[in-house]
Formats: sequence, structure tokens, C-alpha cells
Amino acid sequence: AQSVTQPDIHITVSEGASLELRCNYSYGATPYLFWYVQSPGQGLQLLLKYFSGDTLVQGIKGFEAEFKRSQSSFNLRKPSVHWSDAAEYFCAVGSSYKLIFGSGTRLLVRP
Amino acid sequence: GAGVSQSPRYKVAKRGQDVALRCDPISGHVSLFWYQQALGQGPEFLTYFQNEAQLDKSGLPSDRFFAERPEGSVSTLKIQRTQQEDSAVYLCASSLGPAGETQYFGPGTRLLVL
Repeated sequence: AQSVTQPDIHITVSEGASLELRCNYSYGATPYLFWYVQSPGQGLQLLLKYFSGDTLVQGIKGFEAEFKRSQSSFNLRKPSVHWSDAAEYFCAVGSSYKLIFGSGTRLLVRP
Repeated sequence: GAGVSQSPRYKVAKRGQDVALRCDPISGHVSLFWYQQALGQGPEFLTYFQNEAQLDKSGLPSDRFFAERPEGSVSTLKIQRTQQEDSAVYLCASSLGPAGETQYFGPGTRLLVL
């Protein structure tokens, strides 16, 4: 069955510290992989996506993610977190059109 | 240009009422999607349109849910005889191409069924 697992429900980091959000997927074929961010009362905003090619993907707001086929992972990273990064982050996997989302990781940022 | 817009942003319905949720996709986007997001969960796929054709409705939870996009632009998600378990945020997304394109999401409609 196709699924996405985000094992961390909440993560708290200090402002300026590095961040890694975990994402593991189960998918029959080579998937498209996405990270979205959702702020309260807002829709989902795409941070980055992986379709093929270089397994290290750069996104907006200083985020990057690395696709590791052997580990079925697509972890999101940022070297220095800003207070405005506090939000809910969703990993998603898809094929031609249907996206399957994880349950999300809520990021809290300590001043 | 304008993004995906949805209306109303909030809807309170009494159990048994019918509701209609509207989505205005980005102009020129061929594909339109509806997702349901329960509290504390990720969005779950409901249905997919390519222009006016509904190509996949496998995610609709019951026959009380109906979606349409008659002219290939604006879409309406209708829920008949609402139940408490229908309470959720309903997200609409659109993409430029028929498949494999980035989906752009609207702000959602938060539905509360009392």
C-alpha cells in the first residue's frame, strides 16, 4: 500500500539551530516527492519537489531535501531556523496526479 | 496573478443540511483537485478533474459527496445530508498540466457540522 510516514508529530528547535524533518514513504514505483508547509489558516505552500535527477533538491526559504532511494526517505533540512518557520510541514508522494500526504510535523521555534 | 480561492472560508451546518463549497482555480489551469483534511491529519485526496471531466472520484467518502466542474474552471463540492464526521477543512488545488505538475492549494473551507 502507498503511504507516507512522518514519525515526529512535534519538533521544537531554537532559533538559529539546524532542522531536519523526517519523511519515509512506501510506493511501488519511483515516486514524485514533495514538501509543503501550512501556516495557521493558510493553504499549503510548496517548499520543494523531487521528480528525477539530482537527489539533493533546493527549495524556497532556504530549505533542502535529499532523496535516498535505499532508505525510502526524503528528509527536509534547513541549516538555520527562523522564528517565521514555525508551521506544520507535510511530506507527500505521488504519481501522475494523486498526492498522498503524511500526517504532518508541527515545528515550534524557541526564541 | 491570483492564486486558488475558495469560498466560503468557514461554514457551520446543522446535521442533515446540504452544503456547497466553491473553488476558483488559477486561470488556465487544466487540473483541479479536492482534498479533505481532518483535524491533526494530512490532506486526503477526494477527486480529480481534467478540464470538465471528472477522471477520478475514488476518494469521495460516500455518495453524499458530489463534485462538478461544468465549464472546466470553477468547481463546486457538494455534501448532502451532512454528518458530524464531515467536519474538516476542504482544500482545493489546481495545476497547469494534466498530470505530474505542481499542485497549488487554496486556503481551504473549514466545515463544522453540529
